[in-house]
Amino acid sequence: DTGVSQNPRHKITKRGQNVTFRCDPISEHNRLYWYRQTLGQGPEFLTYFQNEAQLEKSRLLSDRFSAERPKGSFSTLEIQRTEQGDSAMYLCASSLVGRVEKLFFGSGTQLSVL
Amino acid sequence: ELKVEQNPLFLSMQEGKNYTIYCNYSTTSDRLYWYRQDPGKSLESLFVLLSNGAVKQEGRLMASLDTKARLSTLHITAAVHDLSATYFCAPIQGAQKLVFGQGTRLTINP
Repeated sequence: DTGVSQNPRHKITKRGQNVTFRCDPISEHNRLYWYRQTLGQGPEFLTYFQNEAQLEKSRLLSDRFSAERPKGSFSTLEIQRTEQGDSAMYLCASSLVGRVEKLFFGSGTQLSVL
Repeated sequence: ELKVEQNPLFLSMQEGKNYTIYCNYSTTSDRLYWYRQDPGKSLESLFVLLSNGAVKQEGRLMASLDTKARLSTLHITAAVHDLSATYFCAPIQGAQKLVFGQGTRLTINP
């Protein structure tokens, strides 16, 4: 168990560019979540997967955002045509389905859009 | 839509004192989580509360849940500097979506 791993840790991009983040969950965890956190706020839910199926997406997730989890392992979150309002920390979490389901969060990817 | 309100948002206290953070939420929820976040770090799970009247304790922290009142509390006993952090509550909405409060930034002074 090496924890949830996210890459890159920091990303600086210019407005209008596309960016992609990667999340490697704890092995054998079948649920994977993406959250976004801005300074001074709590994390906001974006989407989650059970295995490879994307089961819920937030209204926050505009059509510029897309997430995948091929083969139910790692996940990618892509933002197309980035805007300054996309600047935030993007957090990934994973969990194992069960009665007491605990989400383990990664260290996040800090995105700055200039 | 589930709304979560934590108070206070900022709390400065002295070592050795006791205090309570409150988490109110607007609609029924089956589970509630408490997390800790240090500056620039990710979230660390503290407690998962599953049922009405649930109480969990770990060291100087104790969390409780009253589902009828839609209220959870995080009580700090005899605070120490190491507990300085931001604390979030997050009741669950629907099947799997955690809805986080704004967080309580706790500073413990010697």
